Amino acid sequence: GDSVTQMEGPVTLSEEAFLTINCTYTATGYPSLFWYVQYPGEGLQLLLKATKADDKGSNKGFEATYRKETTSFHLEKGSVQVSDSAVYFCAPGLSTQGGSEKLVFGKGTKLTVNP
Amino acid sequence: GAGVSQSPSNKVTEKGKDVELRCDPISGHTALYWYRQSLGQGLEFLIYFQGNSAPDKSGLPSDRFSAERTGGSVSTLTIQRTQQEDSAVYLCASSLVRASGANVLTFGAGSRLTVL
Repeated sequence: GDSVTQMEGPVTLSEEAFLTINCTYTATGYPSLFWYVQYPGEGLQLLLKATKADDKGSNKGFEATYRKETTSFHLEKGSVQVSDSAVYFCAPGLSTQGGSEKLVFGKGTKLTVNP
Repeated sequence: GAGVSQSPSNKVTEKGKDVELRCDPISGHTALYWYRQSLGQGLEFLIYFQGNSAPDKSGLPSDRFSAERTGGSVSTLTIQRTQQEDSAVYLCASSLVRASGANVLTFGAGSRLTVL
């Protein structure tokens, strides 16, 4: 069945380090793909998205590219900051019987960035 | 309203009691989701409502859990005979539904349930 697999954390990095959080999915067709972020004490919010193959979503220095051939949507950032400390969730939009998409989230990856 | 509103924000109950959690989505959003966030368990899908379609209940963990959405707006998640393992933060989200997909969810602040 449809599912999402996200790199498990926690991940601890020093400021200015390179970040990759892996995400792969299994789905029927070509779902929209999302990364959501939950900062400490705050609610979940959209970080970035991509809607079709080879699309690159980007926001706040984060990027993720929709890779159809590997069914992946890995999150990357070249130089992390302390303020990036949060929990990151990968979420493909999976097909429902009614024909619409529902978002199913990965287990989340907790990132801690130390100064 | 301006955002997704959930109530109560905190609920402490005794094992075996029933609880109701309420979600008021953004006006005009036809899709509504319930998720459960437990420590160390990530974000677990519970149920999805989309317009007048039959809800997708595939994530409900047991028959003690049920949800309804009246008039295509407010939703209530009911947990009967609560157990300690039901303790979690219950999140509601809503979205528009576009034919092209890429439906962005707006989340509420959540209802924290503690079962003693």
